[in-house]
Amino acid sequence: DAGVIQSPRHEVTEMGQEVTLRCKPISGHNSLFWYRQTMMRGLELLIYFNNNVPIDDSGMPEDRFSAKMPNASFSTLKIQPSEPRDSAVYFCASSFRSYEQYFGPGTRLTVT
Amino acid sequence: QKEVEQDPGPLSVPEGAIVSLNCTYSNSAFQYFMWYRQYSRKGPELLMYTYSSGNKEDGRFTAQVDKSSKYISLFIRDSQPSDSATYLCASNAGNNRKLIWGLGTSLAVNP
Repeated sequence: DAGVIQSPRHEVTEMGQEVTLRCKPISGHNSLFWYRQTMMRGLELLIYFNNNVPIDDSGMPEDRFSAKMPNASFSTLKIQPSEPRDSAVYFCASSFRSYEQYFGPGTRLTVT
Repeated sequence: QKEVEQDPGPLSVPEGAIVSLNCTYSNSAFQYFMWYRQYSRKGPELLMYTYSSGNKEDGRFTAQVDKSSKYISLFIRDSQPSDSATYLCASNAGNNRKLIWGLGTSLAVNP
């Protein structure tokens, strides 16, 4: 299995631009998570889906962030408009057990 | 107060040392306790998990949970330079998939 696939791996954009991050979970996993990681705040859960349905989006910072999971093999996280404080590493993870999550390689986002 | 507290370190030890990494948690409903390892510029990966209290051993690694004191520990024996990474503890109540994470402890094992 290829593991969790994320794209792009790196994204540099200017403030105000729209950013779309993509994730393909491991086949057969029924939960998908979007995280943001920074030195100051560590790993923060933004939103998670169970069977393609958003279950908990309490970590989404504000209305500029949105996430979709149109089917079991694809999810997107969109930031519009982006701001410099959104600069971080964004991870997607998937799971089929409550204690084990498989992480993708992450997308390193820089907003200038 | 965060539900899972972890000292971010950094921790620096010589090769061969015994390493002790620790977390505390506040939610009595937590039942699963995990340790994830994250190498630089990679995603975290599950190292060990424990259900409820007790010890679990896997090679040089031992995970320990004391529910009476709400204390989670990871011990690394005969530490190697390849163990240099950030170690994150995480917990959940088991009835949902959401994990509560510590900040992570950065460990450097020096040859």
